[in-house]
Amino acid sequence: GQNIDQPTEMTATEGAIVQINCTYQTSGFNGLFWYQQHAGEAPTFLSYNVLDGLEEKGRFSSFLSRSKGYSYLLLKELQMKDSASYLCAVRDNTDKLIFGTGTRLQVFP
Amino acid sequence: GAVVSQHPSRVICKSGTSVKIECRSLDFQATTMFWYRQFPKQSLMLMATSNEGSKATYEQGVEKDKFLINHASLTLSTLTVTSAHPEDSSFYICSARAWDSEETQYFGPGTRLLVL
Repeated sequence: GQNIDQPTEMTATEGAIVQINCTYQTSGFNGLFWYQQHAGEAPTFLSYNVLDGLEEKGRFSSFLSRSKGYSYLLLKELQMKDSASYLCAVRDNTDKLIFGTGTRLQVFP
Repeated sequence: GAVVSQHPSRVICKSGTSVKIECRSLDFQATTMFWYRQFPKQSLMLMATSNEGSKATYEQGVEKDKFLINHASLTLSTLTVTSAHPEDSSFYICSARAWDSEETQYFGPGTRLLVL
């Protein structure tokens, strides 16, 4: 079956660094996505990894290890506005996006 | 970046009525659109995949006669919830993938449906 695991909740302090992990077991792999979703809003695209390694984009970085079925999203210099849910999603071999349940991040002053 | 709109953003209806939700790609052509449903504190669940000019592909457990999908053009897909019931109350989100981009899906702002 399809399974994507993320921690349910995390907390961090403004200005700090936080790493959100994601492990997956899916029917095939055609890329891993990270999305940010604020309460009551649609997800917004953060990053896409299809090859192993680290992709850096400003304060956000995403890492992928296909052999381990593992990814993480790294958020640096946390800001209050980063409080949101972070969704890990894998595109399987039928081209569908399979979403994890999301990690709710709370940033405190 | 690419923009996807949804209309309406919020709808309240009586049980037994039908509700139509529109999803439009505003500045690109979308060969494929996806419809998701999200219940409170849960993740997005794919309902169906819609390809322009062909029938939608529904996920297991999603009733195709209840959730009618029409993808009549490269910029518009509609989801009609027929004979809505309170258990259909949810956040419905569409996404679109551009014909020249295999990588990214762009999400609409979502439609919150409340069936009384």
